[in-house]
Amino acid sequence: DTAVSQTPKYLVTQMGNDKSIKCEQNLGHDTMYWYKQDSKKFLKIMFSYNNKELIINETVPNRFSPKSPDKAHLNLHINSLELGDSAVYFCASSQVRNTEAFFGQGTRLTVV
Amino acid sequence: GESVGLHLPTLSVQEGDNSIINCAYSNSASDYFIWYKQESGKGPQFIIDIRSNMDKRQGQRVTVLLNKTVKHLSLQIAATQPGDSAVYFCAESGSNDYKLSFGAGTTVTVRA
Repeated sequence: DTAVSQTPKYLVTQMGNDKSIKCEQNLGHDTMYWYKQDSKKFLKIMFSYNNKELIINETVPNRFSPKSPDKAHLNLHINSLELGDSAVYFCASSQVRNTEAFFGQGTRLTVV
Repeated sequence: GESVGLHLPTLSVQEGDNSIINCAYSNSASDYFIWYKQESGKGPQFIIDIRSNMDKRQGQRVTVLLNKTVKHLSLQIAATQPGDSAVYFCAESGSNDYKLSFGAGTTVTVRA
């Protein structure tokens, strides 16, 4: 029944590793997003996809690569993890742009 | 670039009192505004939204006020309850945007 679900909820990994976070929405929405929330709770857009096409890449390092196999999924792959990548990553979706976004429960990534 | 921010990072409220959370934005092209509530360990949850053709909108115990002249948004919570303790975010977008731009958040603590 979860509208936007992302896995895993927690991810602890060493520097230099490669990891992926998966996201799925069952709302039938056309637009999906990845947001990053830092230790001060500030939420910043990373990527925005519409109908599987990349719309926004907000100056995110190319170690981060989103992939949308279909409209219901938007996964985030991160290469060569760095300490500064530690944050909570949220997936979200919306029916169309410029409207309410529904958020997943977040993935807390800790790089050690 | 645009920015969305809140006037106060923290707000302490007596249970039963009304709460007012303020937000300022700078982008004149913004036409959609939304308030989210984020509880610890969870993703942001929709509270209420408003478009720029309105200046007030009411929900259950919540009211959003929009003053486009001074680019100010506020959220009023009536009869604040312990369950209202959370971080509250305002966010905005323009008609051509594929993202929500978030403010820094206000942490609301309800005193019994």
